[in-house]
Amino acid sequence: DAGVIQSPRHEVTEMGQEVTLRCKPISGHDYLFWYRQTMMRGLELLIYFNNNVPIDDSGMPEDRFSAKMPNASFSTLKIQPSEPRDSAVYFCASSLFSGEGSNQPQHFGDGTRLSIL
Amino acid sequence: GQQVMQIPQYQHVQEGEDFTTYCNSSTTLSNIQWYKQRPGGHPVFLIQLVKSGEVKKQKRLTFQFGEAKKNSSLHITATQTTDVGTYFCADVISSGSARQLTFGSGTQLTVLP
Repeated sequence: DAGVIQSPRHEVTEMGQEVTLRCKPISGHDYLFWYRQTMMRGLELLIYFNNNVPIDDSGMPEDRFSAKMPNASFSTLKIQPSEPRDSAVYFCASSLFSGEGSNQPQHFGDGTRLSIL
Repeated sequence: GQQVMQIPQYQHVQEGEDFTTYCNSSTTLSNIQWYKQRPGGHPVFLIQLVKSGEVKKQKRLTFQFGEAKKNSSLHITATQTTDVGTYFCADVISSGSARQLTFGSGTQLTVLP
């Protein structure tokens, strides 16, 4: 089975440009998470969705960041305008709800390595 | 919000030596998940601990959950070069439709051949 698929794998762009990161979760998974990883701040949760509905976006750094999940098989994370401090690895992960009180593991994609010049 | 502290931040060991990483919280943890991230890779789920005092083993890896559910540890016996990577613990928040992980800062393990 295909895992979580992210694109692009690498993105280098100039500050001020719009950046769009894409994610396809594992089929059947009803939770989708966006993380950012940097040396300084570690692995941070930005936003997550349940059944395509955003549940918690408190980790989104500022209004320049936005995320959408138009359907169960696709999500985007957009940065507009981008800044050098947005440079990081962005991971998408998905998981399956398996009943109240139980927790399934999160399955991560390979990430997008973003560099803003 | 809840913070999960992980120590040490870095650990270098000679191949064949043992390794332990610790995860601590000032408040009671609900469940703990452990992940491994190879250099240049993505986090991969290893195990989940749920019960107070729980101990689980995966070959050379032993995972433990404290009696008070405020700490957890991962112990690797006789490390191999394939164990290289960063090990993260994560507190599991689960309530209603909320499902999220709060990751510790990770322990980066280097195994010298």
